[in-house]
Amino acid sequence: QVQLQESGPGLVKPSGTLSLTCAVSGGSISSSNWWSWVRQPPGKGLEWIGEIYHSGSTNYNPSLKSRVTISVDKSKNQFSLKLSSVTAADTAVYYCAREPPNSHVMDVWGKGTTVTVSS
Amino acid sequence: SYVLTQPPSVSVAPGKTARITCGGNNIGSKSVHWYQQKPGQAPVLVIYYDSDRPSGIPERFSGSNSGNTATLTISRVEAGDEADYYCQVWDSSSDRVVFGGGTKLTVL
Repeated sequence: QVQLQESGPGLVKPSGTLSLTCAVSGGSISSSNWWSWVRQPPGKGLEWIGEIYHSGSTNYNPSLKSRVTISVDKSKNQFSLKLSSVTAADTAVYYCAREPPNSHVMDVWGKGTTVTVSS
Repeated sequence: SYVLTQPPSVSVAPGKTARITCGGNNIGSKSVHWYQQKPGQAPVLVIYYDSDRPSGIPERFSGSNSGNTATLTISRVEAGDEADYYCQVWDSSSDRVVFGGGTKLTVL
């Protein structure tokens, strides 16, 4: 079955760019799924960041849209998140997830990776 | 923008029934999904499309959706059900996923 694994730096400096990758195993990123990023600040709820289809089509949370880029690398079977101009408010656990076709439901999740924004 | 409202906390005795609500404007016209999240773990899908259960989720978990309220019902609650629960919809008017604020279920 499909498994997802997030990776990337655990510490990012303020005003810098957060970069994470989600590796997809057990299935192809070019299948008819969408792929999402979700984050959770310490002690708070889930916040959707955005999603991508293997064609490169994306949807973003309007509150983050100006700072977010999600991309897909079919050759490596992975997708990525870049969040620019980060502040302490971007400190969170970042999850990647799979959305089956035409559903916008997240049925498979990665374990999450913690990113701290601090100098 | 579309807003989902959940009670911050719900408490229930073991063996009883827990009901967690998710309020939204005409939410009955949308598909609602529910996730369970235990401390230090990733969310797990427990109900999708209002009332469907993924394989491996006990029949004790059920869902309904009508009018302005969707409800996750957990029957015969067990200590292991203690977790945070989040509802989620797709807001087609803005093309974005929306999560509720989450409800902490405490088993007394």
